[in-house]
Amino acid sequence: AQSVTQLDSQVPVFEEAPVELRCNYSSSVSVYLFWYVQYPNQGLQLLLKYLSGSTLVESINGFEAEFNKSQTSFHLRKPSVHISDTAEYFCAVSEKTSGSRLTFGEGTQLTVNP
Amino acid sequence: GAVVSQHPSRVICKSGTSVKIECRSLDFQATTMFWYRQFPKQSLMLMATSNEGSKATYEQGVEKDKFLINHASLTLSTLTVTSAHPEDSSFYICSAGGLFSYNEQFFGPGTRLTVL
Repeated sequence: AQSVTQLDSQVPVFEEAPVELRCNYSSSVSVYLFWYVQYPNQGLQLLLKYLSGSTLVESINGFEAEFNKSQTSFHLRKPSVHISDTAEYFCAVSEKTSGSRLTFGEGTQLTVNP
Repeated sequence: GAVVSQHPSRVICKSGTSVKIECRSLDFQATTMFWYRQFPKQSLMLMATSNEGSKATYEQGVEKDKFLINHASLTLSTLTVTSAHPEDSSFYICSAGGLFSYNEQFFGPGTRLTVL
C-alpha cells in the first residue's frame, strides 16, 4: 500500500520569498504523483502532476515539482510567492495499477505574509 | 473541460433527518466517482468508490447503511447521509475519474454539512 508524508503542516513565508513544500511517498510499485491546492471552503484544484518522462514538472502559475525516485520525493517549489498563493496544498500518489485511487498527504498550509 | 459540480454547496439540517448530496460530471462521462470527507484542518478521507451501475465500495470504518451512495449514470452520483447527527457535520467532496489512463481525479467544489 502507498503512503504520503508531507513534512511541514504549516509554512509561513513573506511575499516574494521562495518556498518549498516537502512531500515524500512510499510505494512498492510505480506511481503517478500529484499536487493539489485547496482554497478555503472549496474543492481541490490540480496544480501539477508527474506521470512519466521529465522529472521536473511545472504549473502555469510558477510552481514546479521534481520527482526524485531515489529519495521517493516530489517537493513543490516556487521561486517567488504571492499573497494569492496562500492556501492548503496536498500531495497525492496513485499507484499505476490502483485504478484511480489517490492517497493524500496531510496537507501543508502555506501562508504568504506581506 | 473535466468540470465536476456538487449540490448543494452548503446545507444545515436537524439531527435525525436525511440529506442528499449530488455530484455531477458536466462535460465528461465518469466511470468512477469518489466520495471524501474532510474535517477542519485535516486531509481528505476516502469514504467510498463507486462505479457506474454497481454497488459502491466502502472504506473500512465507513457505515454503508448511513452513507448511501448511488451511481446510476455516468454523470451523476449521490451521497445520502441518513439520520444525520452532529458528528456527521463535515465538508464532503466528490471527485470523478476514469477519463484518463493516468488516474487523475477531478474534484467538485464540496458540500458543507452542518447538523444541528
